[in-house]
Amino acid sequence: KAGVTQTPRYLIKTRGQQVTLSCSPISGHRSVSWYQQTPGQGLQFLFEYFSETQRNKGNFPGRFSGRQFSNSRSEMNVSTLELGDSALYLCASSLAGGEDSPLHFGNGTRLTVT
Amino acid sequence: AQSVSQHNHHVILSEAASLELGCNYSYGGTVNLFWYVQYPGQHLQLLLKYFSGDPLVKGIKGFEAEFIKSKFSFNLRKPSVQWSDTAEYFCAVSDRGSTLGRLYFGRGTQLTVWP
Repeated sequence: KAGVTQTPRYLIKTRGQQVTLSCSPISGHRSVSWYQQTPGQGLQFLFEYFSETQRNKGNFPGRFSGRQFSNSRSEMNVSTLELGDSALYLCASSLAGGEDSPLHFGNGTRLTVT
Repeated sequence: AQSVSQHNHHVILSEAASLELGCNYSYGGTVNLFWYVQYPGQHLQLLLKYFSGDPLVKGIKGFEAEFIKSKFSFNLRKPSVQWSDTAEYFCAVSDRGSTLGRLYFGRGTQLTVWP
């Protein structure tokens, strides 16, 4: 079974631009979560989607948004990029987000903002 | 919100040494607890999890963790480490009743095992 796939693997953007990251969950998984990983803050929860609905959101500004499609694939968007948005963005999927369905992580998208 | 503390930023051991990585969390309510591992160049993988029941949990590759509710701790142990255990280890917590998509992670402990 294929794992969680994130594209692209690397991205370089300029301050002020916007970016869209993509995540394809494991087949059959309906819950997708996004995390930001930085050396300074560690792993921080961004948001979680289940059946195309956002059901949890972390403490990030409104410039960070996401969505989930009917096939469970998810995208996250960051608008008006800032230097501090440089990070590894991780996507994780699970069957339904319940206790018997732990998170499976992708390899991440490394975003560099210059 | 939860806060998760991992006491050691970097641990260096020789093969066959015993390992214990500390993890404490802040929330006083009911929680689910996890340890994840990230081997060099690979994605985060679940090592073990605790939801309820026996506080001593066994995971993959000979790892185990003990939940001590009174100490808000969930320490990871392995009696004899191998070079292949070199990786970064993350403790994570979720609030019981919340979905498992929302985890609070510690800052991670880099384990280096010398052959």
